Amino acid sequence: SQQGEEDPQALSIQEGENATMNCSYKTSINNLQWYRQNSGRGLVHLILIRSNEREKHSGRLRVTLDTSKKSSSLLITASRAADTASYFCATGRIFGNEKLTFGTGTRLTIIP
Amino acid sequence: GAGVSQTPSNKVTEKGKYVELRCDPISGHTALYWYRQSLGQGPEFLIYFQGTGAADDSGLPNDRFFAVRPEGSVSTLKIQRTERGDSAVYLCASSSGQRSTDTQYFGPGTRLTVL
Repeated sequence: SQQGEEDPQALSIQEGENATMNCSYKTSINNLQWYRQNSGRGLVHLILIRSNEREKHSGRLRVTLDTSKKSSSLLITASRAADTASYFCATGRIFGNEKLTFGTGTRLTIIP
Repeated sequence: GAGVSQTPSNKVTEKGKYVELRCDPISGHTALYWYRQSLGQGPEFLIYFQGTGAADDSGLPNDRFFAVRPEGSVSTLKIQRTERGDSAVYLCASSSGQRSTDTQYFGPGTRLTVL
């Protein structure tokens, strides 16, 4: 079963603008991760944030985590055409067994 | 190898047939995961191996699904008496297994179509 949902389901923005995607989940977590998927195949790991962290940066990516609201956001700054993809959040619940529970994904389209 | 590989990349079969999907993890990775992704959905966990043993098979939908990893490296996902509802992309991932928050590296997936 899916852990949570991404919001919005689809997002189209102009190249150079910032893109924000949100993720909500249902149960307590050990960590939350964001993945990118191109063309419905292999997933690429983007960033991981632990449950005791509130914000994390990696290049043009900024992730926030609010465990009280069971939500996370992914911000991509200065978007590029190559950022067009589906983005998924995934939660890891148990220390020592990191099976991931994925959300439903946000389809991001960057318009050149 | 350089990354996780999966074979075949596409598999078309008829309802009721048996299929095997193969995953070659990154060399040295002790943890291996299988996920299934239906169209328009996120991946769903199937089974997790630590070494040769299945540490968690709670995601396998029923007893038609079985996976093995006999030597702690390559894994095979086996589906008996396939049904049309089994059509999906089957994704394999591996991680070093050294820490609880190891990054999982995903393969390109096998797209299974059951006619």
